[in-house]
Amino acid sequence: SQQGEEDPQALSIQEGENATMNCSYKTSINNLQWYRQNSGRGLVHLILIRSNEREKHSGRLRVTLDTSKKSSSLLITASRAADTASYFCATDAYGNKLVFGAGTILRVKS
Amino acid sequence: DTGVSQDPRHKITKRGQNVTFRCDPISEHNRLYWYRQTLGQGPEFLTYFQNEAQLEKSRLLSDRFSAERPKGSFSTLEIQRTEQGDSAMYLCASSEPGLSTGELFFGEGSRLTVL
Repeated sequence: SQQGEEDPQALSIQEGENATMNCSYKTSINNLQWYRQNSGRGLVHLILIRSNEREKHSGRLRVTLDTSKKSSSLLITASRAADTASYFCATDAYGNKLVFGAGTILRVKS
Repeated sequence: DTGVSQDPRHKITKRGQNVTFRCDPISEHNRLYWYRQTLGQGPEFLTYFQNEAQLEKSRLLSDRFSAERPKGSFSTLEIQRTEQGDSAMYLCASSEPGLSTGELFFGEGSRLTVL
């Protein structure tokens, strides 16, 4: 079974709007990471947030982490058509590997 | 170094044949991972190397699957007697050493279709 579960499974928004994706996980972690995957391609790392951090920013990305609720959110501001992709959260709860969720499919309409 | 490279990118084979995938990680990365991804799902962990040592294998990795990383450089993933259920994208990733799992750098994947 997968450690992280993303919500929603799919999201469709207009260009310029913000997109929020959520991730819940089950056990204690050292860090949580978000990745992006364009169709048929490999995954690209977006951001890593450590268990002692609550919020992190990178460009148009904002990630929050609530370890008491075992949840994280990824906010993409001012979305662009090029942001259309699948987004995955991943945690290191089970040793020296990342366990990925099933992902959120984001579609940004221009 | 331009990143993690995987070969071949696409492989179509008949059921029962053996296939082998190769992964060349980023040269200074001592950790190497194999994942499998089916349509609409996230990557599932298969196995992990630190240098040449295979430190962990998933229960998903049946006896038909074997992975090696001779000399701690490139890695190969072999699937023997392929089955249609093996059809998937096989992803390789590498990372720097560290106490916890840091950023993974993924290759573009090897897509396997078993007819």
